[in-house]
Amino acid sequence: KQEVTQIPAALSVPEGENLVLNCSFTDSAIYNLQWFRQDPGKGLTSLLLIQSSQREQTSGRLNASLDKSSGRSTLYIAASQPGDSATYLCAVILSGGSNYKLTFGKGTLLTVNP
Amino acid sequence: GAGVSQTPSNKVTEKGKYVELRCDPISGHTALYWYRQSLGQGPEFLIYFQGTGAADDSGLPNDRFFAVRPEGSVSTLKIQRTERGDSAVYLCASSPRNTGELFFGEGSRLTVL
Repeated sequence: KQEVTQIPAALSVPEGENLVLNCSFTDSAIYNLQWFRQDPGKGLTSLLLIQSSQREQTSGRLNASLDKSSGRSTLYIAASQPGDSATYLCAVILSGGSNYKLTFGKGTLLTVNP
Repeated sequence: GAGVSQTPSNKVTEKGKYVELRCDPISGHTALYWYRQSLGQGPEFLIYFQGTGAADDSGLPNDRFFAVRPEGSVSTLKIQRTERGDSAVYLCASSPRNTGELFFGEGSRLTVL
């Protein structure tokens, strides 16, 4: 059974800092990995999707890397802003299946202080 | 609308009652998923539809939970004889066929008193 772990569970940083969120998964046979953002009381917003053949994806101040063999991904946020405060969720889809269902970690609660 | 729409956004009910939650996916998306998210946890898979059929219902916790998608678009998640432990946010997502990229709605928050 695929298990996804996110470290740290919570992170508080001052505005302007660069930061890294970590995600690890137990089964390296993944189809893709996605990072989501969730604001309080809201649904999930997709940030970055990395296919299993890719090593990283970038969108603006966000960069996600994937090391499939070691079962790890990182989300790097540059020059953090108070508006980045949210819960960040990592999720993977196992390869070999046809249902593309996501297995999520519990998330990292990020607070960026002005 | 352009995104996944879920109704109601909030539902408060009493233990033992029947509840229906509705999901309207992005137009043209053939895959539809239901997830459940408890406080402080990541979403957990419930059921997956490809078209009208439930292709994978392995995440449904018990037979009080049932979901349908009769015309391959709108889906309804049905919960019978609700229990306090059913309280959670129920998230719906849709995806274009075979892309593995899911788009989520805002969720329906269910509270069972």
